[in-house]
Amino acid sequence: GENVEQHPSTLSVQEGDSAVIKCTYSDSASNYFPWYKQELGKRPQLIIDIRSNVGEKKDQRIAVTLNKTAKHFSLHITETQPEDSAVYFCADYNTDKLIFGTGTRLQVFP
Amino acid sequence: DTAVSQTPKYLVTQMGNDKSIKCEQNLGHDTMYWYKQDSKKFLKIMFSYNNKELIINETVPNRFSPKSPDKAHLNLHINSLELGDSAVYFCASSLGDNTEAFFGQGTRLTVV
Repeated sequence: GENVEQHPSTLSVQEGDSAVIKCTYSDSASNYFPWYKQELGKRPQLIIDIRSNVGEKKDQRIAVTLNKTAKHFSLHITETQPEDSAVYFCADYNTDKLIFGTGTRLQVFP
Repeated sequence: DTAVSQTPKYLVTQMGNDKSIKCEQNLGHDTMYWYKQDSKKFLKIMFSYNNKELIINETVPNRFSPKSPDKAHLNLHINSLELGDSAVYFCASSLGDNTEAFFGQGTRLTVV
C-alpha cells in the first residue's frame, strides 16, 4: 500500500529562522498533497495544499514545493514565530483516502 | 457553527465495556472518515464512507463497527474494549476525492 515518509520527527528553531519539513510518497498516481498543523490538544487543520499540476505554492510565510519525478514534497515556513510551534503532518490522497506522514514536532524558541 | 462535531470529547471506561462515539458534519460532504491517533501522534485511517456506503476498512478489528445512518453522520461503536484501544479518535469529512478533510475536535478514549 501507499506509504508517506516524513522527516525530521522533531525540529527546533530560533524565532525568525526558517523551518523545512520533507515528505516522500511511493505511489506515482497520487496527485493531492495537503499539509496539516495540529496544535496541542486540538484537531489537525489544513494550512496549505498542492496538486500535481503545480510545482510550488505560497501563502504568506508558508510555501510548499512538489517534485513529482522524485516523489518528494516539502513545507517551508519562513520567519518562524512561537505560535508556529505545533505538530505538522504531510499527507497524500491515494485510493480514496488521505494517508498521513508520521508528523514533525516543530518548536520555535523566542 | 461547528463544521464537524463529535461526542463525547472524553471517554474513560473499563476493559471489556462497549462504547460509541458520534460524529456529525453540517458541511454537506459526501465522504466521512474515522482516524485513530495513538500516543506517538500517528494518524491512521480506520474507515472511509461515501454517501453512507463503506469504502475503506483498513484492517481494523471487527470489534469496531462504524454506522452511517445518513451522509451527515458516521458513528463508531467499539465492543469489548481493550487497553490498546486507548487513543484519540478523530472523525473527518471531505467533499470527495483530492479535497481537504475537515476534522472534528477528537474523542480521547482511555481504557482502564
